Amino acid sequence: AQSVTQPDIHITVSEGASLELRCNYSYGATPYLFWYVQSPGQGLQLLLKYFSGDTLVQGIKGFEAEFKRSQSSFNLRKPSVHWSDAAEYFCAVGPRMDSSYKLIFGSGTRLLVRP
Amino acid sequence: EPEVTQTPSHQVTQMGQEVILRCVPISNHLYFYWYRQILGQKVEFLVSFYNNEISEKSEIFDDQFSVERPDGSNFTLKIRSTKLEDSAMYFCASSDEQTETQYFGPGTRLLVL
Repeated sequence: AQSVTQPDIHITVSEGASLELRCNYSYGATPYLFWYVQSPGQGLQLLLKYFSGDTLVQGIKGFEAEFKRSQSSFNLRKPSVHWSDAAEYFCAVGPRMDSSYKLIFGSGTRLLVRP
Repeated sequence: EPEVTQTPSHQVTQMGQEVILRCVPISNHLYFYWYRQILGQKVEFLVSFYNNEISEKSEIFDDQFSVERPDGSNFTLKIRSTKLEDSAMYFCASSDEQTETQYFGPGTRLLVL
């Protein structure tokens, strides 16, 4: 069965430091890959997505993610974190099958930013 | 920028009551979805809807749940007889055929007492 693993429940970084959030997926083929962010009391905002092509994708708010097929990973990165980046981050995969468009989410990583 | 909207933002109901959660998807989107997130847990898929019918549903989406697109703009999720375990944040999402990217609404927090 398809699954998504985000091994870090919480991550704390200092403002201005770099960030990497990990995401691993289990799926037989290359799925569609997404990162969403959820700020407190807010909905899920799309940060970036990977469907095909260049394995390094750029998103909003200065985020990027790299798809590594050999590692079944799609880690999210940001070179310099801002206090406003404190939120919960969800990795998701789409099965990419004609009859199914559902997203499967990881359990999320809560990012805390130290001043 | 177009966005998905949901009403109400919060709903409190008694166990056994019916609730209807409402969503207005992005106007040119054709695919609609409901997801839920129980507090502290993952976001889980409930159902997808296309061309006025359910295209896929999860095992969570039993006979107590139904969806409807009553007019050209709204998409609703009805829970017929709520249970305590239905307490969750419910997210609506929509996507178009070209990008296949799902855009989410802000959610409705449902509390069943």
